[in-house]
Amino acid sequence: DTAVSQTPKYLVTQMGNDKSIKCEQNLGHDTMYWYKQDSKKFLKIMFSYNNKELIINETVPNRFSPKSPDKAHLNLHINSLELGDSAVYFCASSQDEASGGISTDTQYFGPGTRLTVL
Amino acid sequence: DAKTTQPPSMDCAEGRAANLPCNHSTISGNEYVYWYRQIHSQGPQYIIHGLKNNETNEMASLIITEDRKSSTLILPHATLRDTAVYYCIVKAASNTGKLIFGQGTTLQVKP
Repeated sequence: DTAVSQTPKYLVTQMGNDKSIKCEQNLGHDTMYWYKQDSKKFLKIMFSYNNKELIINETVPNRFSPKSPDKAHLNLHINSLELGDSAVYFCASSQDEASGGISTDTQYFGPGTRLTVL
Repeated sequence: DAKTTQPPSMDCAEGRAANLPCNHSTISGNEYVYWYRQIHSQGPQYIIHGLKNNETNEMASLIITEDRKSSTLILPHATLRDTAVYYCIVKAASNTGKLIFGQGTTLQVKP
């Protein structure tokens, strides 16, 4: 009954390949995210989708394409993988909770996918 | 979104309270203070958040100064499992939901 799940947990691939990482949340949340954590441990947002609509795109190369078939899923497809794409990718989800009219969404993260590009 | 400053590392004895400080001197009136932590090799985990009042939940307490320029996360009885990187994040009250993570504080709980 994992809240936010990702597959695969580990992904090792060659430069130039195309790969996908899947994310599913069973929390009924409206918003899903992808974050990237590089080798220096900096955690940075890449994309955010709300009700299957893209709302954040943090100048990520267009080799990265998020796809949201429904509210519960946000998959990340990466074309022409490069060495610099090696990182841990985290999916997250949230539900806006209005508190006095102000959004205070709390994000729940998946376990991460460690991508290694050789 | 306002920037935060945290000490890079702290130690705490097991069973004692861990007090993690955070400075956010440029915080705006509608920005919340969030705390997340990341245990080694796991995804970040939400701990607590607040606007101006002190908050407490089953994990921790959050003390926000009256001028809101700094806050302290308190783990009342630290255990070895609390060893993690703790992130203090100030987030605007908007619908974009973007969390901006800094370097955080690495808390080492020692037996």
